Parts: sequence; structure tokens; C-alpha cells
Amino acid sequence: GESVGLHLPTLSVQEGDNSIINCAYSNSASDYFIWYKQESGKGPQFIIDIRSNMDKRQGQRVTVLLNKTVKHLSLQIAATQPGDSAVYFCAEIRNSGGSNYKLTFGKGTLLTVNP
Amino acid sequence: SAVISQKPSRDICQRGTSLTIQCQVDSQVTMMFWYRQQPGQSLTLIATANQGSEATYESGFVIDKFPISRPNLTFSTLTVSNMSPEDSSIYLCSARRNAGELFFGEGSRLTVL
Repeated sequence: GESVGLHLPTLSVQEGDNSIINCAYSNSASDYFIWYKQESGKGPQFIIDIRSNMDKRQGQRVTVLLNKTVKHLSLQIAATQPGDSAVYFCAEIRNSGGSNYKLTFGKGTLLTVNP
Repeated sequence: SAVISQKPSRDICQRGTSLTIQCQVDSQVTMMFWYRQQPGQSLTLIATANQGSEATYESGFVIDKFPISRPNLTFSTLTVSNMSPEDSSIYLCSARRNAGELFFGEGSRLTVL
């Protein structure tokens, strides 16, 4: 079936390094994608999104890249800080109109930032 | 983003009992959803809570087990019925305003003994 998944379940980086979290998806009909950050004991928090007609979008210290040819999504975090330690999920959105809006989550990557 | 409050934030329940989780949004939203997140796993959509009508359930979830109400544009409840230890999980309420992002509550952590 259609799914959204991740290449690496865990990622450990040194403070100040750049982090790259990857995600593969299988449904080319998706409208757009979102990256969420989930800290321990909390709900997912929106980080950044990207529409399917874009290749790249930048936010504050974060960049999302979308490669539709290989159905690959990545989240880059610049100058990673201890506060970035969390589980990161990519989510795929299919919106076929009206109330047919559906967000499907990938498996998640645990990012650990070492001081 | 709007603020979502969930109650209870956590509970320990006995097998065979039912528990209702409340979700309150601080402003009107067009769509509300309920997700389940089992320990160490990703989020799975249970259902879309429709205002004034029956919820739309995803495959593997049924109304008898997870009855949902949404009486207005800011409030919804999810009941986990006849609980078993396999229902131990985090249940998350989420909401979306028009074409905006989907935002989440902090979740309700259920432990079933």
C-alpha cells in the first residue's frame, strides 16, 4: 500500500553540526508534505511544510528539500542545538477536496544532539 | 496556531472499562482529528471528527470501539471502550483551520492494566 517511511531510525550529531533527516514516500499524488518535531511527552509541533510544486523551502535554521523524481524528502537543520533533540516525523498530505483531507505520518527519526 | 487542550493528560485504567478523552480548541476550526501513537511508534489516524454528524473512521478502527463526538466547531471527545492492555497508547487530538497547518494537542497517555 501507499506509505511514508524513513531511511534512518536514529541520528546522533554533535552540537553545532548540521543534521539531515531523510524520508521516502510512495504516493506521487500527495499535495504537500510537513515535517513535525515531537519532544518527549509532547504533541507533534509543526516545523516546516513544502508543496508538491516546490523543490526547496527554507525556514529559520531549517530547510526542506523535495525530490519528486525519486520520491524523497529531507529536513536539514543547521547548527544543531541540544534543544533540537526530538523525534522528527515527515507527513504526507493528500487533499482530494472538501473534507477529504488526510495526513499520513512516517515512522520517525530520533535525533540526539551531543553537547 | 490555535491552542488545543486535552483532558485527561494521562490515566491508568482497568481492563474492561471505558474512558472519554476531551479535546477543546481555543478557536473555531474546520477539521478535527484523532490519532493514536503507540509507544515508540508513529501516529496513526483513527478518525476525522465531523461536526454534527458521525465521524469518518480509518481502516482498522470502528465506532463501537472508538465512539467520537463533535457537537460544535471547538470541541470533540474520543471514547476508548472496553479497554484492554493493547489500548495503552497516547491519543492525540488535532485540528486544522481552513487551509492552515494541522496542529496537535499534547496528547492523553493511557495505561490499561
